[in-house]
Amino acid sequence: QQQVKQSPQSLIVQKGGISIINCAYENTAFDYFPWYQQFPGKGPALLIAIRPDVSEKKEGRFTISFNKSAKQFSLHIMDSQPGDSATYFCAASMSWRTSGSRLTFGEGTQLTVNP
Amino acid sequence: GAVVSQHPSWVICKSGTSVKIECRSLDFQATTMFWYRQFPKQSLMLMATSNEGSKATYEQGVEKDKFLINHASLTLSTLTVTSAHPEDSSFYICSASGTSGYLSYEQYFGPGTRLTVT
Repeated sequence: QQQVKQSPQSLIVQKGGISIINCAYENTAFDYFPWYQQFPGKGPALLIAIRPDVSEKKEGRFTISFNKSAKQFSLHIMDSQPGDSATYFCAASMSWRTSGSRLTFGEGTQLTVNP
Repeated sequence: GAVVSQHPSWVICKSGTSVKIECRSLDFQATTMFWYRQFPKQSLMLMATSNEGSKATYEQGVEKDKFLINHASLTLSTLTVTSAHPEDSSFYICSASGTSGYLSYEQYFGPGTRLTVT
């Protein structure tokens, strides 16, 4: 019940295309859903996050779509660029917990954007 | 804001020796710090959670006597890998959560430390 399932495992997109990564969760107590971007040899960096009281959040070329009833959320990268090539992790946590909230990570998606 | 640093960025040590990795929150106070381990092409595996001034809580299967964690202040946590062996070679990443507002539930990650045990 603590798992977060992420797909696809790898994704190849042409420059200018839309990259879509999907995640599904089971635990309805999760109320905070961040996405992280990780380049090789680097730590993950927070990209964008959403709470279940909204169905969509957009920041620049990055959009999170959230479907509470289906317990699914997805990351859309518009106008994908070669510099977006990285590994993307979705995650979920229970933000109402005090003293830091443990993240449950998806398995990761390796995105390659071809020029 | 919310910058986390790690030192060293990479370290090579001989089998049987110990190595210490530092994690610092540079511009906020971190009440909670997390330590992760990541193998190539895999997700992050949580090793332990530490709160300032308290003993760390280790995940199932993580040897607390081998991976010593100290969270002595609101800006510093250390992970010491004792009697390291080649199978301990991995990418170790820390993260930190702050005291209030969004910092209390968001985790900010350090750049990671590549440990190679020969």
